[in-house]
Amino acid sequence: NAGVTQTPKFQVLKTGQSMTLQCAQDMNHNSMYWYRQDPGMGLRLIYYSASEGTTDKGEVPNGYNVSRLNKREFSLRLESAAPSQTSVYFCASKTGTTGELFFGEGSRLTVL
Amino acid sequence: DQQVKQNSPSLSVQEGRISILNCDYTNSMFDYFLWYKKYPAEGPTFLISISSIKDKNEDGRFTVFLNKSAKHLSLHIVPSQPGDSAVYFCAASRKSGNEKLTFGTGTRLTIIP
Repeated sequence: NAGVTQTPKFQVLKTGQSMTLQCAQDMNHNSMYWYRQDPGMGLRLIYYSASEGTTDKGEVPNGYNVSRLNKREFSLRLESAAPSQTSVYFCASKTGTTGELFFGEGSRLTVL
Repeated sequence: DQQVKQNSPSLSVQEGRISILNCDYTNSMFDYFLWYKKYPAEGPTFLISISSIKDKNEDGRFTVFLNKSAKHLSLHIVPSQPGDSAVYFCAASRKSGNEKLTFGTGTRLTIIP
């Protein structure tokens, strides 16, 4: 049972480069989320999708775009990476019936 | 504006003793609270939750207490074991199921053998 799968697990970018983080869940969950984790800042919500076809901004959306490709997949795109986007990114999903989030293993991004 | 606060960045506890992790929140609309545990290089995993209609929820060695008037919750781990060493995040939402979670900054728990 794969749960939530994120790719890539590690990535190094130069300032100004673009990239997309991919996320897929196999639990038939309606809602999907992208968080970033930074030292001393906890987990901060970037974007979320309450259901297929909808996306909404979270606490820290600047510099990011998302696509809810279908019910399973939710991607996060950095159009022009900045050093401030160096972080660990987590994708998560949940059903609409409980508050429990299921997280992927994370993607560590370094922007030089 | 940090709506969910964990004021202790770290905590060390002897194996076998009780670990108490604290969390405060400012948004009175929050009515569902969760604790997550995170090991290095892994994603957070759900540990235990509590609805605002309760003041206590227990699951094995883990108990969460909620004090709504003080906007405070705590996680008790008894007895503490070396495998409990991890970062613990408190999270809150306005309505279980439909609302996004707001996380605290985390507390790193170290269990000393």
